[in-house]
Amino acid sequence: GNSVTQMEGPVTLSEEAFLTINCTYTATGYPSLFWYVQYPGEGLQLLLKATKADDKGSNKGFEATYRKETTSFHLEKGSVQVSDSAVYFCALNDSGGGADGLTFGKGTHLIIQP
Amino acid sequence: EAEVAQSPRYKITEKSQAVAFWCDPISGHATLYWYRQILGQGPELLVQFQDESVVDDSQLPKDRFSAERLKGVDSTLKIQPAELGDSAMYLCASSSGEGGTQETQYFGPGTRLLVL
Repeated sequence: GNSVTQMEGPVTLSEEAFLTINCTYTATGYPSLFWYVQYPGEGLQLLLKATKADDKGSNKGFEATYRKETTSFHLEKGSVQVSDSAVYFCALNDSGGGADGLTFGKGTHLIIQP
Repeated sequence: EAEVAQSPRYKITEKSQAVAFWCDPISGHATLYWYRQILGQGPELLVQFQDESVVDDSQLPKDRFSAERLKGVDSTLKIQPAELGDSAMYLCASSSGEGGTQETQYFGPGTRLLVL
């Protein structure tokens, strides 16, 4: 079956630090990969996505590259801000035949200190 | 910007009671999903609709959970009777239904359920 593994949190960084959140996946087919972010008290928002191998998704200074050879989709940002504090979820969609619910990782809580 | 609407935002109930959640997807979105998110975990799919038809309900505990989307627009998820282990955030999401696995799913704010 499909699965997503994320690094355990919480991850605590100082403002302007470099961020990496690791994500690896297991899938039977050729999935699309997503990063969603959940701010306190809010629903999930799409941060970025990549739909085939070697694609790079990017948004708001965050980026992630779809690495088929290592089955990874690590999230990176060069300089984090306090406003980036949230829970980040890696997810995949690897379905066919119409059923395409997302498979999520457990989430990584990111805390940015001023 | 169009959003997925959910109500109520919070619900406290006693075990063995019935509870219902409502979702209104983004206008024109054919596909609707219900996910359950236990505290500290990622969301897990409960049921997926394409228009008014169920596409996937393999993870829905059908002895106590039911979901419907009668006119292919808004949807209701019901739990009867509620159990302590049902305490979680219930998230609704929608997508246009035209993009396959590449498509973005748009999430509502969720309903947080506490069963006492």
